[in-house]
Amino acid sequence: NAGVTQTPKFRILKIGQSMTLQCTQDMNHNYMYWYRQDPGMGLKLIYYSVGAGITDKGEVPNGYNVSRSTTEDFPLRLELAAPSQTSVYFCASSYRGRRTGELFFGEGSRLTVL
Amino acid sequence: EDKVVQSPLSLVVHEGDTVTLNCSYEVTNFRSLLWYKQEKKAPTFLFMLTSSGIEKKSGRLSSILDKKELFSILNITATQTGDSAVYLCAVDTSGTYKYIFGTGTRLKVLA
Repeated sequence: NAGVTQTPKFRILKIGQSMTLQCTQDMNHNYMYWYRQDPGMGLKLIYYSVGAGITDKGEVPNGYNVSRSTTEDFPLRLELAAPSQTSVYFCASSYRGRRTGELFFGEGSRLTVL
Repeated sequence: EDKVVQSPLSLVVHEGDTVTLNCSYEVTNFRSLLWYKQEKKAPTFLFMLTSSGIEKKSGRLSSILDKKELFSILNITATQTGDSAVYLCAVDTSGTYKYIFGTGTRLKVLA
């Protein structure tokens, strides 16, 4: 009963480094999302995908890239890490059709950029 | 611009108290409103509301939606220390396929 799985759970990066946060879901959900959550704040949408091969920007896409080659996987790429990208990142998925289901979250990835 | 506003931002109560958390929204193409509880890690789902006036209940928690006045409330009765968390409200919008989150209400329940 895996649900949404994110890796890594923790990572420390130096300024200018790049990395990819992995996200996979096994619920056959069509929609997937990446959010970031800064301390004491709500969730800000970075990117989302409505299906394999289709992605779109959210509220705060600068400094990030995504791809969706399969239904299951939705990796988030950070290019040239900056201290402003220090945050907790959540991947989420949902099924959307005539009825919409709830949003399921991964456990989160805590990223620190020094 | 779509927005979701939660109030209060934070709340401290004693065990046994009843609390009411508020969520108001201004969005185009409203589809549903969701409540989540967030402790140390990922948000966990509480309720999804799509119709006005129908109360959802789960134990000591209940929630209701008013689509005319564009708000929802989350009630917690007989609070316990385990209710201490951030409560997030999100609105699902059909036009943009996005869930818009409020900043959350931080609830602390003292023993």
